[in-house]
Amino acid sequence: EVQLVESGGDLVQPGGSLRLSCAASGFTLSTYWMMWVRQAPGKGLEWVASIKQDGSDKSYVASVKGRFTISRDNPNNLLYLQMNSLRAEDTGVYYCARDFSGQTLYYFYYSMDVWGKGTTVTVSS
Amino acid sequence: SSELTQDPAVSVALGQTVRITCQGDSLKTYYASWYQQKPEQAPVLVIYGKNNRPSGIPDRFSGSTSGNTASLTITGAQAEDEADYYCNSRDNSGNYHWVFGGGTKLTVL
Repeated sequence: EVQLVESGGDLVQPGGSLRLSCAASGFTLSTYWMMWVRQAPGKGLEWVASIKQDGSDKSYVASVKGRFTISRDNPNNLLYLQMNSLRAEDTGVYYCARDFSGQTLYYFYYSMDVWGKGTTVTVSS
Repeated sequence: SSELTQDPAVSVALGQTVRITCQGDSLKTYYASWYQQKPEQAPVLVIYGKNNRPSGIPDRFSGSTSGNTASLTITGAQAEDEADYYCNSRDNSGNYHWVFGGGTKLTVL
């Protein structure tokens, strides 16, 4: 069964740090772009960061650039999100998701086909 | 960066057809994907590409695009379809960025 399981969420004070992990199973992690998506309490989904299959290319939403770092350990099927200088507005559920992108004869498609259940980050004093 | 706009809430009578829309400049370049999220659950992909359903998604779900507007149509809505629905696409800024719509709360009456 294809599965993603996040861990590492916790209550942390503003300015603190946290590292989230995402364990992949049922598929070969190294063949997919992967990403983190978050959801603030009662709010919508927000893409946070993406990382290429070999880790050589990374992208971030503007609000976390310079504070968060996405990384991966392909041999151990793990995805990470290192979060530094945390702010109250970083509070929410953090999901890891698998990139599902490709092409047919006629068009390209881009989506996220596998999601973990999420891990909760609370930034508060 | 791009933005995607969705109506906050839509309702439909049981068994009727409902359309949920998503507007944004990035949809002139990229097809939208659609996700269903029920309370306290992770999102589930329901439509991707021009109009493709992942395995296990009922065929009452369909997608379409016209200009800068993508639509998710549920034909014969069921009680279990009550959920939040989000569209997303790649950001057309040229980087490997993504953008989500604000979500639409679907109520099945």
